[in-house]
Amino acid sequence: DGGITQSPKYLFRKEGQNVTLSCEQNLNHDAMYWYRQDPGQGLRLIYYSQIVNDFQKGDIAEGYSVSREKKESFPLTVTSAQKNPTAFYLCASSGPRQPNSPLHFGNGTRLTVT
Amino acid sequence: AQSVAQPEDQVNVAEGNPLTVKCTYSVSGNPYLFWYVQYPNRGLQFLLKYITGDNLVKGSYGFEAEFNKSQTSFHLKKPSALVSDSALYFCAVRGMDTGRRALTFGSGTRLQVQP
Repeated sequence: DGGITQSPKYLFRKEGQNVTLSCEQNLNHDAMYWYRQDPGQGLRLIYYSQIVNDFQKGDIAEGYSVSREKKESFPLTVTSAQKNPTAFYLCASSGPRQPNSPLHFGNGTRLTVT
Repeated sequence: AQSVAQPEDQVNVAEGNPLTVKCTYSVSGNPYLFWYVQYPNRGLQFLLKYITGDNLVKGSYGFEAEFNKSQTSFHLKKPSALVSDSALYFCAVRGMDTGRRALTFGSGTRLQVQP
């Protein structure tokens, strides 16, 4: 089945450590996205990539970094510079370049930093 | 820049009754609107999207949404709620003026259907 795989489902880290969240898709989609979800705040866009080897900052990019070396993969690194990294992180992708093309989401990674 | 407002944090409805989850939007140009549902500790599932010219859009699981251009609203509806509809619902908009394909989401509305 086609879909988006995020791993791991739960991640625990100590403050001051960088951590990388994995996102892989086999939908052959060009565009991929990272969102952060906090209670009561909805989803906020961290980074997005519309094509391989290209990515743009979203609304809350500070303290995060990404790479897009392959079409299928869009890993997110949460650096020690991110002041409040504990959150639920969602990866998504979208296919055809049409305005009404929906996003498809993975099942998320819950990161806890102590 | 585009924005979405979901004015209700929570909506409570009895099973079998109709439900409405409200959404208003702000965007330059034509709106591209979506509804998603999220169950606990899961990703978002696509429910439906606005199709230009159709003021009533039908989607998955018996849900539909009513588009009102003058009120800039896209409310989610269902004629008869089920307990299994209890979840977190998000409205989202894509504005094409910046060329950014990412969606902007509302803060979410928790739907609680009582048996």
